Amino acid sequence: DSGVTQTPKHLITATGQRVTLRCSPRSGDLSVYWYQQSLDQGLQFLIQYYNGEERAKGNILERFSAQQFPDLHSELNLSSLELGDSALYFCASSVVAGWGDTQYFGPGTRLTVL
Amino acid sequence: GQQLNQSPQSMFIQEGEDVSMNCTSSSIFNTWLWYKQDPGEGPVLLIALYKAGELTSNGRLTAQFGITRKDSFLNISASIPSDVGIYFCAGDSTDKLIFGTGTRLQVFP
Repeated sequence: DSGVTQTPKHLITATGQRVTLRCSPRSGDLSVYWYQQSLDQGLQFLIQYYNGEERAKGNILERFSAQQFPDLHSELNLSSLELGDSALYFCASSVVAGWGDTQYFGPGTRLTVL
Repeated sequence: GQQLNQSPQSMFIQEGEDVSMNCTSSSIFNTWLWYKQDPGEGPVLLIALYKAGELTSNGRLTAQFGITRKDSFLNISASIPSDVGIYFCAGDSTDKLIFGTGTRLQVFP
């Protein structure tokens, strides 16, 4: 158990819908990262927040958005869902913001878009 | 999305053998990272490399940051069954982390 929690574990929805994925980082970790893992695109970094502020942006689509709240939990919002958005979405957290700082990954949310 | 070239794609080896995998990029990276992912779990960081030429070990694992800053390799010595999983390299390029395509390792007793 990494100490990072993600809810829900599984999510099945239809095209065009909007969903929110939630992540609670490890106690004391200020940085939260979101990743997408799919069969065709592999593991992709989406976005990073540090202490409530956006820190780095990867391959995040405009239909996706994220935020980190004052209590440091984070939410990833996916809207106008398409079939290709079906993937495993991981959240990770670390104490500080550097890439070399050990990131602890959550168990992931498996999103299926039908 | 962009992915790094990682090879081999998969490996089937016998317990006790040494393993070597590598990643190459057309871009220069500031940091190279190596992760392992077990089925149904998130990736776990194995080794982080911060400067060109750096050679770092973590138990039976050894990784090197290439001199050109465009490649890295990971070696696993004396493999054991629990080494089974998918290994990913990742490079840090201007505030974005880019992952390799993964190497799937199978270890047979």
